[in-house]
Amino acid sequence: TQLLEQSPQFLSIQEGENLTVYCNSSSVFSSLQWYRQEPGEGPVLLVTVVTGGEVKKLKRLTFQFGDARKDSSLHITAAQTGDTGLYLCAGASSGGSNYKLTFGKGTLLTVNP
Amino acid sequence: DSGVTQTPKHLITATGQRVTLRCSPRSGDLSVYWYQQSLDQGLQFLIQYYNGEERAKGNILERFSAQQFPDLHSELNLSSLELGDSALYFCASSVFGTGPYGYTFGSGTRLTVV
Repeated sequence: TQLLEQSPQFLSIQEGENLTVYCNSSSVFSSLQWYRQEPGEGPVLLVTVVTGGEVKKLKRLTFQFGDARKDSSLHITAAQTGDTGLYLCAGASSGGSNYKLTFGKGTLLTVNP
Repeated sequence: DSGVTQTPKHLITATGQRVTLRCSPRSGDLSVYWYQQSLDQGLQFLIQYYNGEERAKGNILERFSAQQFPDLHSELNLSSLELGDSALYFCASSVFGTGPYGYTFGSGTRLTVV
């Protein structure tokens, strides 16, 4: 069973601070995706990283895929209250003719004004 | 609005009952995925359909079943409901039948079994 461990589980910071959340596994993934989920809504895809060592930026968010494609990090610069939400990572792995997406349990981020 | 429509948004029912959750995928998407989300287990994959056919199965109980219709909408049927089935149920869709790509999720159905 492939597991994705996300840390920290909870994070509460002040507006303007920087933060990094992590997603780790002992398994290799074909790609890794990050989603943000707000209360009462479904997860929304933020980014997909495919190549080991790949770095993608989305405004104040920087996503990195580990060289070995087993882990990833999400760094937020100058956090805003609108960044509050549950951040989920998901790893895609090939299982025969079909890909399987495994989700971590998420990091619940609260950005206080 | 993600383009994936789930109904109903909330459902309260008694133990032993049967309910049907409905999902309309984003226009052009052929795959539909069902997930269950609970506080302790996170997002758990239940089942995937691609263009009307079952493509993959996850941790779906025998009391649960699903189907995808010719118009590509999907229904998840939950029967003999137990208190532990209370959770958020999400439907997601994608263009491809397989591939390391992201999904588009609906807003979910919150099921409460009392």
